[in-house]
Amino acid sequence: GQNIDQPTEMTATEGAIVQINCTYQTSGFNGLFWYQQHAGEAPTFLSYNVLDGLEEKGRFSSFLSRSKGYSYLLLKELQMKDSASYLCAVRGGDYKLSFGAGTTVTVRA
Amino acid sequence: IAGITQAPTSQILAAGRRMTLRCTQDMRHNAMYWYRQDLGLGLRLIHYSNTAGTTGKGEVPDGYSVSRANTDDFPLTLASAVPSQTSVYFCASSDSASGSYEQYFGPGTRLTVT
Repeated sequence: GQNIDQPTEMTATEGAIVQINCTYQTSGFNGLFWYQQHAGEAPTFLSYNVLDGLEEKGRFSSFLSRSKGYSYLLLKELQMKDSASYLCAVRGGDYKLSFGAGTTVTVRA
Repeated sequence: IAGITQAPTSQILAAGRRMTLRCTQDMRHNAMYWYRQDLGLGLRLIHYSNTAGTTGKGEVPDGYSVSRANTDDFPLTLASAVPSQTSVYFCASSDSASGSYEQYFGPGTRLTVT
């Protein structure tokens, strides 16, 4: 089975940095994805990690430690439009994605 | 416009009725998926198809069926709807042949079973 944990909610101020943690226990591992989902919309791809380390893409970075079953998504220079749900998903040994319940980030002025 | 379309956008359905949710992609992706999203539970895989002509069961397949007659279309059928199938349903596709595995999601269908 798959077990993916991430915090339910986080709040931060515009311009600040927020780190969303994700821990996982899965049957096999073939990569970790982060998706962004605005309310009432479809999830959209943010990042993909398959090797340990940090992947940076503009204001967003994602980190992976396979030995610890741990990832985080770092959002820098927060903007109001970053208010959304962030989904951690692990591709297991069967190559199917298992999603965490999502972390709702609220950015305040 | 490239992407995934789903129909209907929303639907209210009486329990016991049959319903087919439609999903079409024009990206020529080999793999397609159906998820349901419920508050507090995240996205859960219902059924998937790795290529036209093949389908497989996901985490929560009971009460649902799918078919994949061609590359573009992947309909999801509820044979006899029950209130617990009230959810938002997302279709997704990926081009696993390219090694990408990133999934692209459709806009979703909001289904209420009364």
